[in-house]
Amino acid sequence: TQLLEQSPQFLSIQEGENLTVYCNSSSVFSSLQWYRQEPGEGPVLLVTVVTGGEVKKLKRLTFQFGDARKDSSLHITAAQPGDTGLYLCAGRSGSNYKLTFGKGTLLTVNP
Amino acid sequence: EAQVTQNPRYLITVTGKKLTVTCSQNMNHEYMSWYRQDPGLGLRQIYYSMNVEVTDKGDVPEGYKVSRKEKRNFPLILESPSPNQTSLYFCASSLWGRGADTQYFGPGTRLTVL
Repeated sequence: TQLLEQSPQFLSIQEGENLTVYCNSSSVFSSLQWYRQEPGEGPVLLVTVVTGGEVKKLKRLTFQFGDARKDSSLHITAAQPGDTGLYLCAGRSGSNYKLTFGKGTLLTVNP
Repeated sequence: EAQVTQNPRYLITVTGKKLTVTCSQNMNHEYMSWYRQDPGLGLRQIYYSMNVEVTDKGDVPEGYKVSRKEKRNFPLILESPSPNQTSLYFCASSLWGRGADTQYFGPGTRLTVL
């Protein structure tokens, strides 16, 4: 079973601060996705990265896929209270139909 | 509106009483999947289906059954629920279930087994 380790598990910061969330594995993934989940709702896809070294930006969010396709990071610049939520990374390998999720990072941004 | 729907949203039941959680998608997706989400354990895949009449086990299939008789529906069946199946359940669908497919999640079903 492939594992995705996310860190930190919990993060509480003040509005305006920057933060980085990490997603690491010993396995190679053909694609890696980041989801955000708000209380009482299902996860919603933020981004998919497929190429080693790939960097994608979504407004204040920057996503990076490691060169070896075993790890990824999510960086948020100038966090806002609206960024509060559970951030999940999920990976798929090769032609595998299974999507493996990390346990998530619960982010709280205080005003 | 493109969506995945689940019913019921909340369910409290007793040990051993068979139940079914329904899931339906209106996006003509081939792939559908069930997950359970538990504190400290994250999202774990129960079963998935690549197409009508084609299903396979995920990481935690014990105690669950699924069927895929129509493309749009993928019910989750608990034949004899037990308290350790108390959890938050999510159904999801995507076009093919491979590569960089986007997975769309339903709103969740919170199940309590007494």
